[in-house]
Amino acid sequence: EAQVTQNPRYLITVTGKKLTVTCSQNMNHEYMSWYRQDPGLGLRQIYYSMNVEVTDKGDVPEGYKVSRKEKRNFPLILESPSPNQTSLYFCASRQLDNEQFFGPGTRLTVL
Amino acid sequence: DQQVKQNSPSLSVQEGRISILNCDYTNSMFDYFLWYKKYPAEGPTFLISISSIKDKNEDGRFTVFLNKSAKHLSLHIVPSQPGDSAVYFCAAIPLSSGSARQLTFGSGTQLTVLP
Repeated sequence: EAQVTQNPRYLITVTGKKLTVTCSQNMNHEYMSWYRQDPGLGLRQIYYSMNVEVTDKGDVPEGYKVSRKEKRNFPLILESPSPNQTSLYFCASRQLDNEQFFGPGTRLTVL
Repeated sequence: DQQVKQNSPSLSVQEGRISILNCDYTNSMFDYFLWYKKYPAEGPTFLISISSIKDKNEDGRFTVFLNKSAKHLSLHIVPSQPGDSAVYFCAAIPLSSGSARQLTFGSGTQLTVLP
């Protein structure tokens, strides 16, 4: 089954404790991205990657890092999480057309 | 400043009636528009799209209308069903983004279809 998977689905952590949210897709898509969803703000892009070893900032990249060492994986790294990073995070992938496939989401709470 | 706006956070409609969800945009460079549907605890899923060279696209019960002069698009669902209850996101892609084809999303509208 074609899908985008994210882990963990739920995470509660404390300020400053490094964490990684993994994302994997099995559709051989070149393009992957991370979004955060906040009330009243919709989905905002954090980072995206056009291909392996090619990443770029989205609209809200501060406090986040990403890497793209393999085509299928695109982890999101929070080196020092803060409470304003409490949000619902979505990973997405697509080929260079317009339909984007989203993962199921990761709900992160930073205390 | 949000370039894609969904001014109605919520909408309630009776089953069998028409649901109309609206979306406004400010960037005249947007040339492709999409609607995504999101159920709780799931990621958004693609619903329907429209290119700026068209003013209407239909797929079953779902029709998207685009009014370029007004920078406005709408999603019509006829007839509405309880299973349509979800959050609907409007998204737009600017011509200038090249192969990246970056999506800009609106804030979403929660549709509730009452049985």
